[in-house]
Amino acid sequence: QVQLQQPGAELVRPGASVKLSCKASGYTFTSYWINWVRQRPGQGLEWIGNIFPSDSYTNYNQKFKDKATLTVDKSSSTAYMQLSSPTSEDSAVYYCTRGRAWFAFWGQGTLVTVSA
Amino acid sequence: DIVMTQSPSSLAMSVGQKATMSCKSSQSLLNSSNQKNYLAWYQQKPGQSPKLLVYFASTRESGVPDRFIGSGSGTDFTLTISSVQAEDLADYFCQQHYDTPRTFGGGTKLEIK
Repeated sequence: QVQLQQPGAELVRPGASVKLSCKASGYTFTSYWINWVRQRPGQGLEWIGNIFPSDSYTNYNQKFKDKATLTVDKSSSTAYMQLSSPTSEDSAVYYCTRGRAWFAFWGQGTLVTVSA
Repeated sequence: DIVMTQSPSSLAMSVGQKATMSCKSSQSLLNSSNQKNYLAWYQQKPGQSPKLLVYFASTRESGVPDRFIGSGSGTDFTLTISSVQAEDLADYFCQQHYDTPRTFGGGTKLEIK
């Protein structure tokens, strides 16, 4: 079955970058887009961008263009999102999802806490 | 960017009642070449990841109970739960898949009386 595995939590110091992981299994990793979605506490959902693992083609939400960098490691079927210079505003749950248009599969999310 | 607006922000229903929630987009989500509306609905239960309910405005995802009904066209869409169950307690989000960036509505919280 399709699974997207994410670490449960990450504690990050303000200004120190963090790389979140999303390990895919149960399907051909290179055939489906991976998206990243942010959910701040008690808030709605924001689409950060997506990547096509076969050729690493990316699309970014302009809002996150200087904040997030999406990459993949095809050898381990893992997608990554690096958050640069995080502030308290970046404290949120970050989900990876599969799909190009709608998102049928979601990881459990990584709670990122930015704190000194 | 396409702005998605959901209403009401919260809804309190008794088990067995019909629940209706709205989602409006700032521009049409209808693709005139295939006559499909590019709108999805998700359910997010407390402490869980969102779950896809509907895409193309009215196509139910496999395994989703038939009490969840998506409808609408153009800029106005509705998610109806024909007979609310206790397990339907959740936040519901709409999302347009017409253009990038993909955008979501602010959500409707369904509470059970």
